[in-house]
Amino acid sequence: QSVLTQPPSASGTPGQRVTISCSGSSSNIGSNTVNWYQQLPGTAPRLLIYSNVQRPSGVPDRFSGSKSGTSASLAISGLQSEDEADFYCAVYDDSLKGWVFGGGTKLTVL
Amino acid sequence: QVHLLESGGGVVQPGGSLRVSCSASGFSFSMYGMHWVRQAPGKGLEWVASVRYDGSEMYAESVKGRFTVSRDNSKSTLFLDMTSLSLEDTALYYCAKEQWRTAQSFDYWGPGTLVTVFS
Repeated sequence: QSVLTQPPSASGTPGQRVTISCSGSSSNIGSNTVNWYQQLPGTAPRLLIYSNVQRPSGVPDRFSGSKSGTSASLAISGLQSEDEADFYCAVYDDSLKGWVFGGGTKLTVL
Repeated sequence: QVHLLESGGGVVQPGGSLRVSCSASGFSFSMYGMHWVRQAPGKGLEWVASVRYDGSEMYAESVKGRFTVSRDNSKSTLFLDMTSLSLEDTALYYCAKEQWRTAQSFDYWGPGTLVTVFS
């Protein structure tokens, strides 16, 4: 059972907008910045969003992050078939003194 | 460009030990914190351990006292020494680089090395 709660699955059709939520607590999301990772099938994770809202170079602006209180969200607009992947939120937890990951959300493009 | 490559994975019996390594290139290794993250078959990501640029170490509760993270800056190599291995330690072990000094994000990951604990 993960410290951060994500829905196990999400889906959408090409062109749609989907959001993935990540719920935590005051010791993690409430006091530190949230990062999102994308893991395509059979590959290593890739940093998608850092510091709640920032995109590394090379990440399309279709991907956006937000944070409010002890929750965060990842939004993907203009959904494409190549976006099918597992998505993980991650944040440093002050109480655990280490990083915690959400359980992951499997995105399916219908 | 930044390149991370793990090695040393393999099959080990419960109670055994194993050392995995991560060879880094393309950046000033000594200036960045490095991390180990694992993924059990079909499961999600789990942070394992970190070593800061100054050598300070952090561990997940699940491995504290059994795993030791270290680094050799002269060889740009990260290590994870694992002892008292159990079936629950079976996973693909990734090394990752922190995005900037003391950053909480990991911007580059290796392809991983598989550790299988099997009796």
